[in-house]
Amino acid sequence: DVKVTQSSRYLVKRTGEKVFLECVQDMDHENMFWYRQDPGLGLRLIYFSYDVKMKEKGDIPEGYSVSREKKERFSLILESASTNQTSMYLCASSLRGAGGETQYFGPGTRLLVL
Amino acid sequence: RKEVEQDPGPFNVPEGATVAFNCTYSNSASQSFFWYRQDCRKEPKLLMSVYSSGNEDGRFTAQLNRASQYISLLIRDSKLSDSATYLCVVTPSNTGKLIFGQGTTLQVKP
Repeated sequence: DVKVTQSSRYLVKRTGEKVFLECVQDMDHENMFWYRQDPGLGLRLIYFSYDVKMKEKGDIPEGYSVSREKKERFSLILESASTNQTSMYLCASSLRGAGGETQYFGPGTRLLVL
Repeated sequence: RKEVEQDPGPFNVPEGATVAFNCTYSNSASQSFFWYRQDCRKEPKLLMSVYSSGNEDGRFTAQLNRASQYISLLIRDSKLSDSATYLCVVTPSNTGKLIFGQGTTLQVKP
């Protein structure tokens, strides 16, 4: 069974703080993704990675960065948190190639920036 | 225009009812299509893929109309446990990226 875990279910941070969201998958998937989900807007892709040390911008990368030093771990970084980054953050992973269309999601991190 | 559009609902139906959701996509080059299900305060999970010829999985039937660029999901004999948000998902290319609709909320009442 694929397992994707995220470091926190709930986080409260202050404006200007640096925030790290960690995601780990145990299925040796090449692809990893970070989304945010907001009411009325659905899931929006922030960044993704096809391999270790590789990263690609998604649709809304501004204000975020990522790190993929190991295959199983994909970190999302908010360099200086702002209130408009209050959201649900979801990490996902998938295989490269055949079967890669199925993404497996972590449980999500609800981030509140005050 | 959003790349994938869904009616957000909510759809409120009684148990046993048949309910259908539609979804339209804007990129005619889209390659693969899916329905994901998301329970309240949980992560999305794959419900089923959508094939050109249409496909069925128990009480769920998915259809794809490439000419009109829409996808549908039909749920027969609705159960209380079907209450969830159903996300229409499209892959624009072979990149592994998914484009999500905002979801349609279904509430099945006793």
